[in-house]
Amino acid sequence: AQKVTQAQTEISVVEKEDVTLDCVYETRDTTYYLFWYKQPPSGELVFLIRRNSFDEQNEISGRYSWNFQKSTSSFNFTITASQVVDSAVYFCALSEAGRGTDKLIFGTGTRLQVFP
Amino acid sequence: EPEVTQTPSHQVTQMGQEVILRCVPISNHLYFYWYRQILGQKVEFLVSFYNNEISEKSEIFDDQFSVERPDGSNFTLKIRSTKLEDSAMYFCASSGRGDLSSYEQYFGPGTRLTVT
Repeated sequence: AQKVTQAQTEISVVEKEDVTLDCVYETRDTTYYLFWYKQPPSGELVFLIRRNSFDEQNEISGRYSWNFQKSTSSFNFTITASQVVDSAVYFCALSEAGRGTDKLIFGTGTRLQVFP
Repeated sequence: EPEVTQTPSHQVTQMGQEVILRCVPISNHLYFYWYRQILGQKVEFLVSFYNNEISEKSEIFDDQFSVERPDGSNFTLKIRSTKLEDSAMYFCASSGRGDLSSYEQYFGPGTRLTVT
C-alpha cells in the first residue's frame, strides 16, 4: 500500500542552523513521483520540488537541498542556514504515476519553527 | 505568474445546507483536483477531474459531493448536505501536462469551510 511517513511532528531551531526534514515512503510502483510542499501560517500550499523515481540525483536550490535515496525509500529535505521565514509546515507527498493515477498522497507534515 | 484562485476564502454554513466552493484553475491546465485538510491534519485527496469527467475519487468523496466545470474557467465542488465533519480547508489544484510523466499540481489558497 502507498504511504508517506514524516516521523518528525515538530522541529524547532534557531536561525542559521541547518535542519533536515525526513520523509519515508512506501509504494509497490516502480514509477512514482515525490514532492515537497510548504504550508506557511497563511495556509496555502506552495510547491517546492518534484522528483521522479528514475532520477536519484540530489538537487540543490539556494538554501534548499533534497536527498533522494531509493535504497532506503527516503526523500529528505535540508534547509541550510534557516531563517525565520522558513517557519511553516512542510509536507512530503507521493504520486504513483505507474498506476495511471496522479493523486497526491501526503504525509502528516513536519512543523518547523525557526526562532531568531 | 498564473495562479489558482478560490472563492470564498471562508464559508460558514449550517449543518444540512448545501455549499458550493469555487475555483479558477490556471488557464491552460488540463487536470483539476480537490483536496481537503481537517484542521491540524494532513492533506487528503478527494477527487480528480479531466476531460469533463471524474478520473478518480477517494472514499471520502461520497454521494454528498459533486464536481463540475460549468464553463471554461470555473471548477466547483458542491457538498449537498453539509455535516459537522465536513469542516475543513478545501484546496483546489490544477496541473497542466498532457501526460503523467512530468507535472506539478499547483494549489489555490484554500477555502475554509466551517459547518455549525
